[in-house]
Amino acid sequence: KAGVTQTPRYLIKTRGQQVTLSCSPISGHRSVSWYQQTPGQGLQFLFEYFSETQRNKGNFPGRFSGRQFSNSRSEMNVSTLELGDSALYLCASSFGSSNTEAFFGQGTRLTVV
Amino acid sequence: QQQVKQSPQSLIVQKGGISIINCAYENTAFDYFPWYQQFPGKGPALLIAIRPDVSEKKEGRFTISFNKSAKQFSLHIMDSQPGDSATYFCAAEGKNTGFQKLVFGTGTRLLVSP
Repeated sequence: KAGVTQTPRYLIKTRGQQVTLSCSPISGHRSVSWYQQTPGQGLQFLFEYFSETQRNKGNFPGRFSGRQFSNSRSEMNVSTLELGDSALYLCASSFGSSNTEAFFGQGTRLTVV
Repeated sequence: QQQVKQSPQSLIVQKGGISIINCAYENTAFDYFPWYQQFPGKGPALLIAIRPDVSEKKEGRFTISFNKSAKQFSLHIMDSQPGDSATYFCAAEGKNTGFQKLVFGTGTRLLVSP
């Protein structure tokens, strides 16, 4: 069974640009959550999508957005990039929406210069 | 305010020894407590998880101990091996907690010396 696939693995962007990250969940999983990991703030929840609907949202500015497609694949978009957005962005997939095992992808390492 | 407090920040254990990582939580509505293992350059991997209706869960060399009254849970790694050297995160989740999805601890960097 294939795991969670995130693309691309690495990205370098310039301040002010926008970026789109992609996540393909485990087959059959309908929930996709996104997390930001930084050395200073640790792992922080961004948002969750379940059956194409945003279920939960963390405490991040509106520059961070996402969506989920009918095949459960999800994309995350960050507009007007700031230096502080440099981080490892992780996607986790789970079968249900709450209190179920979440499996993470390898992440996308975003560097903003 | 940190909802899941994890300690220690780093830990060095001799090969064959027991590694113990502790976590404490604030919100009694949390009802799912997983532990994740993360190697450099990789995403966190689910190691073991527990729900508050049991006090202990064991999977191979990994054991979670859960103390509901103290709002604490811990990970014990028996017979620690150099391959266990990684960063470990505890987490908590619950419905109607005011938190969305997993709330993570700050992580423990474990080094198992040969």
